[in-house]
Amino acid sequence: DAGVIQSPRHEVTEMGQEVTLRCKPISGHNSLFWYRQTMMRGLELLIYFNNNVPIDDSGMPEDRFSAKMPNASFSTLKIQPSEPRDSAVYFCASSSGTGVPGELFFGEGSRLTVL
Amino acid sequence: GESVGLHLPTLSVQEGDNSIINCAYSNSASDYFIWYKQESGKGPQFIIDIRSNMDKRQGQRVTVLLNKTVKHLSLQIAATQPGDSAVYFCAEMKTSYDKVIFGPGTSLSVIP
Repeated sequence: DAGVIQSPRHEVTEMGQEVTLRCKPISGHNSLFWYRQTMMRGLELLIYFNNNVPIDDSGMPEDRFSAKMPNASFSTLKIQPSEPRDSAVYFCASSSGTGVPGELFFGEGSRLTVL
Repeated sequence: GESVGLHLPTLSVQEGDNSIINCAYSNSASDYFIWYKQESGKGPQFIIDIRSNMDKRQGQRVTVLLNKTVKHLSLQIAATQPGDSAVYFCAEMKTSYDKVIFGPGTSLSVIP
């Protein structure tokens, strides 16, 4: 079975450019999470969706960040404009509402470098 | 605010020995606690969970202990193997299927 699929795996961009990260959750999962991982701050929850609806976006750093989930099989995280401090690995994870509580299935991450 | 923290940022153990990774949490309202393993270049992977009404749960070579009195969680790995080398995170949830908040992580290094 395919796991959570993220793209791109790596992106290098210049400050001020728009960045769009994409995620395809596991089919049948109804919750989707976006995390950011840095050495300084660890794994931070940015936003999570349940049945395509944003439930908690309190972790979104600022207005430069936005996330959408137009349907059950696709989500995007957009940064506009990007800044060097946004450099991190961004993970998408999904979970089933009927499985083990707290068992998130993570993608392999998108490593973003903003110059 | 909510926070989950770890006492030891790094841990080195000899292959075959048992490993113990500790975690302190601050939110007494959390109902679920989870351990994740993250190998280099990969996303975190679920290991085991425990609910707040339990104090011990065993899996394959792993045991999680929960002490609510002192808000302490630990992961014990028996007969540690080189493949266990990774970063381990404890995490918490207030209720089932809620958001999962991760602690800072402990790096486990297994010496052959």
